Amino acid sequence: AQRVTQPEKLLSVFKGAPVELKCNYSYSGSPELFWYVQYSRQRLQLLLRHISRESIKGFTADLNKGETSFHLKKPFAQEEDSAMYYCAPTDSNYQLIWGAGTKLIIKP
Amino acid sequence: KAGVTQTPRYLIKTRGQQVTLSCSPISGHRSVSWYQQTPGQGLQFLFEYFSETQRNKGNFPGRFSGRQFSNSRSEMNVSTLELGDSALYLCASSSYEGGKAQLYGYTFGSGTRLTVV
Repeated sequence: AQRVTQPEKLLSVFKGAPVELKCNYSYSGSPELFWYVQYSRQRLQLLLRHISRESIKGFTADLNKGETSFHLKKPFAQEEDSAMYYCAPTDSNYQLIWGAGTKLIIKP
Repeated sequence: KAGVTQTPRYLIKTRGQQVTLSCSPISGHRSVSWYQQTPGQGLQFLFEYFSETQRNKGNFPGRFSGRQFSNSRSEMNVSTLELGDSALYLCASSSYEGGKAQLYGYTFGSGTRLTVV
């Protein structure tokens, strides 16, 4: 079965430090890959998608097909980045397979 | 433009009862998907509806069912509730169907928190 692993349940970094949220997936096909974010008391929302090659709020995500990883990165963390982050690749039916999420805390 | 609206926000039910949750998608969105979110299992896909037809179904028992109406509003029903059904149930809508809905992203509602006692 396809799986996605976000190894860190909690990640705490200081403001201004670089951030990397890890995501590994197991799927032999060519999934589409997404990161969703949920800020405190807000709804789950799409952060970025690999297909768009975009940078949102300073975040980027690089697909490494060899390592089957799609880590989310930001060079300088800001306090407003504190949130729950979910990695979600698609399966063969284009359904999102969700990771368990990583809670990111940015310390002042 | 109103967002995805889920009602009720909170529910407490007794084991063995049944429950119906409602989701009104963004106006113009015809695709509605349902997810179950629990601390232990994370987010799990329940089913997807498009134009009143179930297009995809997750790996949940038959106690979980849903439907979509002609105005795209969707309901989810859980019969014979079990303690393990306690969760946050999220609804998400998209103007696209299936694969395209994934590609262009969903808009999520705030969820209905169901507690089974």
